[in-house]
Amino acid sequence: NAGVTQTPKFQVLKTGQSMTLQCAQDMNHEYMSWYRQDPGMGLRLIHYSVGAGITDQGEVPNGYNVSRSTTEDFPLRLLSAAPSQTSVYFCASSYSSGVKNIQYFGAGTRLSVL
Amino acid sequence: KQEVTQIPAALSVPEGENLVLNCSFTDSAIYNLQWFRQDPGKGLTSLLLIQSSQREQTSGRLNASLDKSSGRSTLYIAASQPGDSATYLCAVRSNDYKLSFGAGTTVTVRA
Repeated sequence: NAGVTQTPKFQVLKTGQSMTLQCAQDMNHEYMSWYRQDPGMGLRLIHYSVGAGITDQGEVPNGYNVSRSTTEDFPLRLLSAAPSQTSVYFCASSYSSGVKNIQYFGAGTRLSVL
Repeated sequence: KQEVTQIPAALSVPEGENLVLNCSFTDSAIYNLQWFRQDPGKGLTSLLLIQSSQREQTSGRLNASLDKSSGRSTLYIAASQPGDSATYLCAVRSNDYKLSFGAGTTVTVRA
């Protein structure tokens, strides 16, 4: 039972490079989301999806793209990395509704942009 | 926009003392509220989830209460242990599916 799997765990990029952070879940959850965590600021929502083919912006979407072609996968793309995107990124999934829509989180991707 | 605040930002207690962690939110139109634990360098682990229609949830030594009308939730941890040392995060889910987090309370339990 893998839960939410994020890859890679660590990444160093140079300014202007692009990359994709991968996220996969095996719980058949409709809802998936991406957050960034910065010291003293808590987690901030970047993008989210309520099902395959449906995505929407969160609180801090600029510089990031997402797509949801399958229920299982929700990749996050950095188009042109900037030092301000240095952060820890978390992917989460849950059922959209119901008494058991607990959010499950991946272990995170630690990204440094030089 | 939902704003979630956690006070205090840090807390240090001797082993055996009860812990009281506070969470407040600005918009009472919530779907549910969830408490998480985060260990250094790790992801988030769900502790308790309270639906908007509930007043409290309990799991072992943990009890979380919810007062939606006043925009408050409290997490109680009874008889704290050094293994309870971690950062505790409160998250409020709005009816549009979005989850808003507080900045967390970092707890240290001294042996």
